[in-house]
Parts: sequence; structure tokens; C-alpha cells
Amino acid sequence: GEDVEQSLFLSVREGDSSVINCTYTDSSSTYLYWYKQEPGAGLQLLTYIFSNMDMKQDQRLTVLLNKKDKHLSLRIADTQTGDSAIYFCAEAYNQGGKLIFGQGTELSVKP
Amino acid sequence: DTEVTQTPKHLVMGMTNKKSLKCEQHMGHRAMYWYKQKAKKPPELMFVYSYEKLSINESVPSRFSPECPNSSLLNLHLHALQPEDSALYLCASSQDPPFEKLFFGSGTQLSVL
Repeated sequence: GEDVEQSLFLSVREGDSSVINCTYTDSSSTYLYWYKQEPGAGLQLLTYIFSNMDMKQDQRLTVLLNKKDKHLSLRIADTQTGDSAIYFCAEAYNQGGKLIFGQGTELSVKP
Repeated sequence: DTEVTQTPKHLVMGMTNKKSLKCEQHMGHRAMYWYKQKAKKPPELMFVYSYEKLSINESVPSRFSPECPNSSLLNLHLHALQPEDSALYLCASSQDPPFEKLFFGSGTQLSVL
């Protein structure tokens, strides 16, 4: 069955890099996504990567995809206190079917 | 405009009440979704509308009744809810095909007393 796994917590100091990891099971996923959720808010689509890419960079964000190991990561450079949030990775399972979310990683940024 | 607007932001209702949640988008998206989210958990899919037709119902109890009056609007009608239905209800939309790059609203925080 489909499954997406993430570690639950990550704590970093302001100015450091953060790396949030995710493993997924469906090798037929077309896109893999990272969503950010701040307290009391909805989910914000941060970035996504097409399955035939290895890397995507967007300002402070770098997404790495290892299809062989079914491993996705999100690196946030120069992490700021405003980056404190829960980060969900997600895959589109069985193209046109469900969007499967990981459990979410709570990122805490300390000054 | 990349916004999905949900109203109300907060709702408190009794178990015998009838209420509705509303969602609107003007991005020309043809797929719209309802998700339910408990605190610090991932969203759980409830319903998907594609081209104004219900395409997925994730075995949601009949006390939740979705409606898609047109391609920009999505409603969720609530009746005889239980306290365990208290959650954040999120609306989302995407271009066709479904499940490519969902854009979420900020949600309605529902409390059932």
C-alpha cells in the first residue's frame, strides 16, 4: 500500500541549514510535493519536483530526489524563525488517485 | 490570484445544528477538494469534485454533504455532527487532472459541542 514517512521533529538554530527528509513508496508518482503549515493556517504549497528530476532549487529551498531509494529531502538554507512550521511531504499516488501526505515534520528554529 | 477563500474561519455548533462551510476559488481550477485535519496530523481526504461532479467520496458519513454549485464554489453541509468531528476543514483546488499541485485555503476551525 501507499505510505509516506517523515521524522516528526527537527530543531535548528537561526542561520543554520535545515534538512527535512521523507521516504515514499509509489514509484509511479508524477510529482512530489512539500507543503508548509503555520499554526492556525492552511497548507501552503512550498515547492514540488517532477519525478524525472534529481534536484530543484528555488531561492533558499533545495529539493533532492533519489528515485532509486524513494527518498525526498527539503533543504532550507539560512533558516529563519519565520520558517518554524510543520512541513508535509506528499506524493500523488497512482496518478489521478489520492494525494498521500507524510505525518509532517515540526521544524523549530531557535534564535 | 492564487487564493482559495474559506468562510467562516471559525464555527461552533451543537450536535443538532445545521451549518455550511463555503469555499471559493477564481483560478479556473476544475478540481476541488475537502480535507479534514486534526491537530498536528496530516490532512485526510474527504471528497473530490472534478468538473463539478463528485469523483471521490472517501466513505465519509452522510452527516457531511458536499455540494459544488459551479466551478468556482464548493460547499460542505453539516448536520447532526458529533464532538469527534471537531477539526480544521480545508478546501483545496487544482487544475485538471486532479492531485497536481493543490492550493489550499486557510480552513474553517470547527468545534462541535
